Amino acid sequence: AQTVTQSQPEMSVQEAETVTLSCTYDTSESDYYLFWYKQPPSRQMILVIRQEAYKQQNATENRFSVNFQKAAKSFSLKISDSQLGDAAMYFCAYRSFNDMRFGAGTRLTVKP
Amino acid sequence: GAGVSQSPSNKVTEKGKDVELRCDPISGHTALYWYRQSLGQGLEFLIYFQGNSAPDKSGLPSDRFSAERTGGSVSTLTIQRTQQEDSAVYLCASSLVASGGADTQYFGPGTRLTVL
Repeated sequence: AQTVTQSQPEMSVQEAETVTLSCTYDTSESDYYLFWYKQPPSRQMILVIRQEAYKQQNATENRFSVNFQKAAKSFSLKISDSQLGDAAMYFCAYRSFNDMRFGAGTRLTVKP
Repeated sequence: GAGVSQSPSNKVTEKGKDVELRCDPISGHTALYWYRQSLGQGLEFLIYFQGNSAPDKSGLPSDRFSAERTGGSVSTLTIQRTQQEDSAVYLCASSLVASGGADTQYFGPGTRLTVL
């Protein structure tokens, strides 16, 4: 079975600094997608960034970027110039055609 | 509406009672997903619909759980004879079409279910 592991239950970053959230996954598939979702206290999951496994180029969305290492099955999220509004739970997710799995999440605190 | 809506927002029930959770997807979205988020956990995928059809129901935790979707729109997740371990937030998401990851899922605010 595919598993997604987030080894950092909590992370803290100073406002305007950079933080990296880790995620590893296990799969025997060659075609899949990886995601980072943000869940603020409102509970509504928001897609932050998506990576297609067949693309070697790392995805980037404004201040958010990923380091996708397919062979190592690693998918970390880098948040640059952290803002107070970035404080939330962040979930890493894996999806293939018939399966979707989430990690347990990392709670990010942003200090002013 | 502009986004995915779910009702009720919160539901408290007694052990052994049946509950129905409702999801209203974004208009035009043919794919609809149900997830369960237990306290301090990530999301657990339960079931998805493409139109009114659910190709794979193996994610449902037990035969007390069922889901249906009619008219390609609203979906209902029913939990029969609720147990305390069913307490969780139930999240619904929709997307234009289920395409194994290429589609973007838009999530609702969830229903927090508490079974006493």
